[in-house]
Amino acid sequence: DGGITQSPKYLFRKEGQNVTLSCEQNLNHDAMYWYRQDPGQGLRLIYYSQIVNDFQKGDIAEGYSVSREKKESFPLTVTSAQKNPTAFYLCASSLMGSSFHEQYFGPGTRLTVT
Amino acid sequence: DQQVKQNSPSLSVQEGRISILNCDYTNSMFDYFLWYKKYPAEGPTFLISISSIKDKNEDGRFTVFLNKSAKHLSLHIVPSQPGDSAVYFCAASDGGGGADGLTFGKGTHLIIQP
Repeated sequence: DGGITQSPKYLFRKEGQNVTLSCEQNLNHDAMYWYRQDPGQGLRLIYYSQIVNDFQKGDIAEGYSVSREKKESFPLTVTSAQKNPTAFYLCASSLMGSSFHEQYFGPGTRLTVT
Repeated sequence: DQQVKQNSPSLSVQEGRISILNCDYTNSMFDYFLWYKKYPAEGPTFLISISSIKDKNEDGRFTVFLNKSAKHLSLHIVPSQPGDSAVYFCAASDGGGGADGLTFGKGTHLIIQP
């Protein structure tokens, strides 16, 4: 089955620790994205990548880092510099060209930092 | 500054009736609009989209209307079913083909009452 997997579903960390969220897709999509959702809020774009070894900052990139070493994988690191890391994190992917708009989302990772 | 606005945080509709979800936008560069459906603790799923060159797109029970002059779009669900109860997000892309991410509204929680 093709799709996007995110692991783990729930993640707990102590303040001051870096944490990496996994995102893998087997849809052969070119572009991948990371969004963050807070209660009562829409999704906000953190980082995106259109091709391997290249990525761009989104609207709220501060305190986050990413890598795109493989087409299938786009891990997100939440660093200790992120002031409010507790949130629901969503990874998405899309094809190049006319289907770029239609992004397919993974199930999400809920990160709680205490 | 919110570029995509969903001014109704929640909407309650009786089963079998029409549900109308509204979305307004401010960025004139948006040229593609999408609706996503989201259940709690899950990733959003793509529902329907519309290009700015059209004013209507229909898919089964779902129809999206676009009024470019008013910078307004709406999603109609007819007839509404219990499984339609979810949060609906309006999203837009701004001419980059969506490759640089989508801009989301805050969502409308649709509740279908029996």
